[in-house]
Amino acid sequence: AQTVTQSQPEMSVQEAETVTLSCTYDTSESNYYLFWYKQPPSRQMILVIRQEAYKQQNATENRFSVNFQKAAKSFSLKISDSQLGDTAMYFCAFMKRQGGSEKLVFGKGTKLTVNP
Amino acid sequence: EAGVAQSPRYKIIEKRQSVAFWCNPISGHATLYWYQQILGQGPKLLIQFQNNGVVDDSQLPKDRFSAERLKGVDSTLKIQPAKLEDSAVYLCASRDRGKNTEAFFGQGTRLTVV
Repeated sequence: AQTVTQSQPEMSVQEAETVTLSCTYDTSESNYYLFWYKQPPSRQMILVIRQEAYKQQNATENRFSVNFQKAAKSFSLKISDSQLGDTAMYFCAFMKRQGGSEKLVFGKGTKLTVNP
Repeated sequence: EAGVAQSPRYKIIEKRQSVAFWCNPISGHATLYWYQQILGQGPKLLIQFQNNGVVDDSQLPKDRFSAERLKGVDSTLKIQPAKLEDSAVYLCASRDRGKNTEAFFGQGTRLTVV
């Protein structure tokens, strides 16, 4: 079974600075997707960034980028120029790419606070 | 494009009562997930549908939880009877199998069992 581990329950960062959230996962699969989702106090999960395991290039989305280390099964999220609106829970998630039964598994989350 | 709709947003019930949650996924999305998110934890998958068929319900407490997806569109999740430990946010998500791999989430239903 796939598992996702987020070892940082809480983190804080000053506005405009950079922060990195850690995620490791365990799988025997070679073909899969990894995601970072943001969950603000409104509760709605929003996709931040995704990475396809077969792509070596790290994904980037504006201020968000990942460091994907497939051999180490590590998938960290870097937020540059942090903004107050980035304050939220961040969840790392894994999905095996297989037919129509893709199961999306989440870590326990990291609570990020951006301080003014 | 309309998002995933869930209702109600909040529900308070007494233990041993029953409750039902409703989810309307994004039109055309074949895959539908129900997650349970206990305060301070990550979402735990309860059940996954592909159209109107169940593909994974391994973590669904079947003695008290049930779910159905009528005609492969709307879905309901029911708890009967509820226990105190069922207090959580219940999230519904849908995904278009053929297009991309992103799952879209509703705003969830916060259930409090007293």
